[in-house]
Amino acid sequence: AQSVTQLDSQVPVFEEAPVELRCNYSSSVSVYLFWYVQYPNQGLQLLLKYLSGSTLVKGINGFEAEFNKSQTSFHLRKPSVHISDTAEYFCAVSEVGGSYIPTFGRGTSLIVHP
Amino acid sequence: DAGVIQSPRHEVTEMGQEVTLRCKPISGHDYLFWYRQTMMRGLELLIYFNNNVPIDDSGMPEDRFSAKMPNASFSTLKIQPSEPRDSAVYFCASSSEGGNQPQHFGDGTRLSIL
Repeated sequence: AQSVTQLDSQVPVFEEAPVELRCNYSSSVSVYLFWYVQYPNQGLQLLLKYLSGSTLVKGINGFEAEFNKSQTSFHLRKPSVHISDTAEYFCAVSEVGGSYIPTFGRGTSLIVHP
Repeated sequence: DAGVIQSPRHEVTEMGQEVTLRCKPISGHDYLFWYRQTMMRGLELLIYFNNNVPIDDSGMPEDRFSAKMPNASFSTLKIQPSEPRDSAVYFCASSSEGGNQPQHFGDGTRLSIL
């Protein structure tokens, strides 16, 4: 069975600074990887996904993530954050050929200060 | 294109009362999921359906919780009797078949049991 670890529960950063949110996973088979964002009082929305191919994946709102198989990581990055990026970010993994049910991490709260 | 629709958005009721949460998934999606989100436990999968059939309800906390999906466009999550510890945000999500398919979340029902 797969598992996901988001190493930071909270990441404070100043506006226009770069940010990286870390995600590590564990699985004995190939995986699909997702990042979701949750704004206050809303449901989760897909930011980006890695299915196969290029390990650098670009998503909405200027975010990107890199799949690193050897380190079993899928870190999310943005070169310059805005106040509006303040939200909760969830990493999720599902196994190729396995059940269709993804496992979600505990989430990382990104707090952007002016 | 309508997303996942949940109702009500907020529910406040007294302990012991029956609570019914409703969900309309995206048309054509084969999978429907019910989650509960709290600060203490994060995002928990309660139950999921495939083609209207409950597949795994191992996440349902107690017999007080029940879920149904009478047709492809409607599902309910019922709590009877409700208790203060059931207070949380409940999300419904739907997806197409395949582990490479992202989940689409509703905006949730914020439930407060007094």
